[in-house]
Amino acid sequence: AQSVTQPDIHITVSEGASLELRCNYSYGATPYLFWYVQSPGQGLQLLLKYFSGDTLVQGIKGFEAEFKRSQSSFNLRKPSVHWSDAAEYFCAVGASNDYKLSFGAGTTVTVRA
Amino acid sequence: DSGVTQTPKHLITATGQRVTLRCSPRSGDLSVYWYQQSLDQGLQFLIQYYNGEERAKGNILERFSAQQFPDLHSELNLSSLELGDSALYFCASSVDTRGYTFGSGTRLTVV
Repeated sequence: AQSVTQPDIHITVSEGASLELRCNYSYGATPYLFWYVQSPGQGLQLLLKYFSGDTLVQGIKGFEAEFKRSQSSFNLRKPSVHWSDAAEYFCAVGASNDYKLSFGAGTTVTVRA
Repeated sequence: DSGVTQTPKHLITATGQRVTLRCSPRSGDLSVYWYQQSLDQGLQFLIQYYNGEERAKGNILERFSAQQFPDLHSELNLSSLELGDSALYFCASSVDTRGYTFGSGTRLTVV
């Protein structure tokens, strides 16, 4: 069964600074990988996804993520954060033959002025 | 607007009661998923329906049940409610395995 670990529960970053959120997955085959963002009181919005091909994927809101098979990782990055990026971020893993996604516990990002 | 509609947005009810949460999937999506989000458990997969049939079951209590109707909308029924059932309940839909679209959730408070 697939599983996801997000090692950082909470990250604080200054506005304009870079951000990297870590995600490690466990899955036997080639996974489908996703990053979602949840603003307070809102649903989850898909930021980006990886299925195959180029291991660096671009998403919405200036985010990108890199799939590293050797490290079983799919870390999310943003070069310069904005105050509006304060939210909770979830990494998820799925598979081509399984509709169910497994989510990590989430990382809360606080942006300070 | 994600295209996935959940009603109601908020629900306050007493212990022992029964409630029904409703979800209309995005147009064209045949799969509907229900998730429970609480502070201590995180996002927990409850159940999936595909074109009216139950496809997968997760950590869903026996007091909870769901169904998907011919028009593809889904309902999650929660009965004999306990204080610990207070949570955000999300519905998501998909057309294939390439990711979900989430609704904005129903916040259930059991008092």
